[in-house]
Amino acid sequence: DAKTTQPNSMESNEEEPVHLPCNHSTISGTDYIHWYRQLPSQGPEYVIHGLTSNVNNRMASLAIAEDRKSSTLILHRATLRDAAVYYCILRGGYNTDKLIFGTGTRLQVFP
Amino acid sequence: DAMVIQNPRYQVTQFGKPVTLSCSQTLNHNVMYWYQQKSSQAPKLLFHYYDKDFNNEADTPDNFQSRRPNTSFCFLDIRSPGLGDAAMYLCATSRRGTGYEQYFGPGTRLTVT
Repeated sequence: DAKTTQPNSMESNEEEPVHLPCNHSTISGTDYIHWYRQLPSQGPEYVIHGLTSNVNNRMASLAIAEDRKSSTLILHRATLRDAAVYYCILRGGYNTDKLIFGTGTRLQVFP
Repeated sequence: DAMVIQNPRYQVTQFGKPVTLSCSQTLNHNVMYWYQQKSSQAPKLLFHYYDKDFNNEADTPDNFQSRRPNTSFCFLDIRSPGLGDAAMYLCATSRRGTGYEQYFGPGTRLTVT
């Protein structure tokens, strides 16, 4: 399985942008980059995914490096509700149906 | 509007007493998953179904079994729960393919006494 590396924790102040990095140097050409987050006491929820191009949705933006060996999840204005563990996951190849979670980044947001 | 429903939300069982956790979905997705999440750890995939095709992870203990009688329902059976099986059990669904997201239920927290 292609691996991802994320910082264990990050901090932000409310209403500031947050950039959550993810390294995936062994990514293959067919791997999609998925981001999920897990709020306290809840199941994970989908945030965004992409293959090669940068992606935007109502929750976040995903910036993918040109060589695809890293990506960054961008929360444009952090709120207290964004405090969660954020997981960067590669999905593809024979793992088409699977999500294999890494350790993720715990984001703390301060008022 | 509930999409992935897990019952019960909290389950207490005794050491060695079989327990069944249930999951249902209203999304008509063909893939269903069971994850185990222990305290302060990431979710760990136990197995998944693509339609009725069962796919077990290599390191999933034999103590864990699953049934999927139809598209909407999936069950997790723990035949002889041990203290180490206390965890949150998460059900998820997805359409097949790398570009599709998984939808997770709220989880069932299992306590083993």
